[in-house]
Amino acid sequence: KAGVTQTPRYLIKTRGQQVTLSCSPISGHRSVSWYQQTPGQGLQFLFEYFSETQRNKGNFPGRFSGRQFSNSRSEMNVSTLELGDSALYLCASSSIGLAGGRSYNEQFFGPGTRLTVL
Amino acid sequence: AQTVTQSQPEMSVQEAETVTLSCTYDTSESDYYLFWYKQPPSRQMILVIRQEAYKQQNATENRFSVNFQKAAKSFSLKISDSQLGDAAMYFCAYRSGDPNAGKSTFGDGTTLTVKP
Repeated sequence: KAGVTQTPRYLIKTRGQQVTLSCSPISGHRSVSWYQQTPGQGLQFLFEYFSETQRNKGNFPGRFSGRQFSNSRSEMNVSTLELGDSALYLCASSSIGLAGGRSYNEQFFGPGTRLTVL
Repeated sequence: AQTVTQSQPEMSVQEAETVTLSCTYDTSESDYYLFWYKQPPSRQMILVIRQEAYKQQNATENRFSVNFQKAAKSFSLKISDSQLGDAAMYFCAYRSGDPNAGKSTFGDGTTLTVKP
């Protein structure tokens, strides 16, 4: 199976612009989560989509939004970019598997999109 | 809310030696999973090892093993016979046992240097 793919891999924007990042999950995975990784804040959870619905949300301002399509591909959008939005944005897809008779949920990460805001 | 703490920002080890990375966590849940991820300079997060909280036996994957102390809420990673390719940032992560929980909580990471 192909892994999680993210496009673009690198992006440079200026303050005030908006940006859209894309994530294609592993085939068959219905859950897609987004994380922001910065040197100062570490890995922070943005939101999770499952079957086209936002199921979980982190503590980020409304400028950060996302959506999921019927094929499970997901996009996240950041409007009115700020310098502090410069980060590596990681997408992870997951599915429910079985181990020892119990279900578990394991995430597989994409390579990330490096966003630089000037 | 769950928290994950990695108290060692940086660690170094001689090639072929053993190193242990520390992680503690806090949760009120009884059903959860713990993970160690490796993030090399390429930035691709790679799952190293998983531990189910309901299992008393420590997980092992080749040269990687964990010491899971549930009562102490401690979850350390031991890397044996360290190799140059092990150099990376390592993250400890917590995930609820609820399959509908879409979030993992990560520690701040430990940068591991392997000296030849």
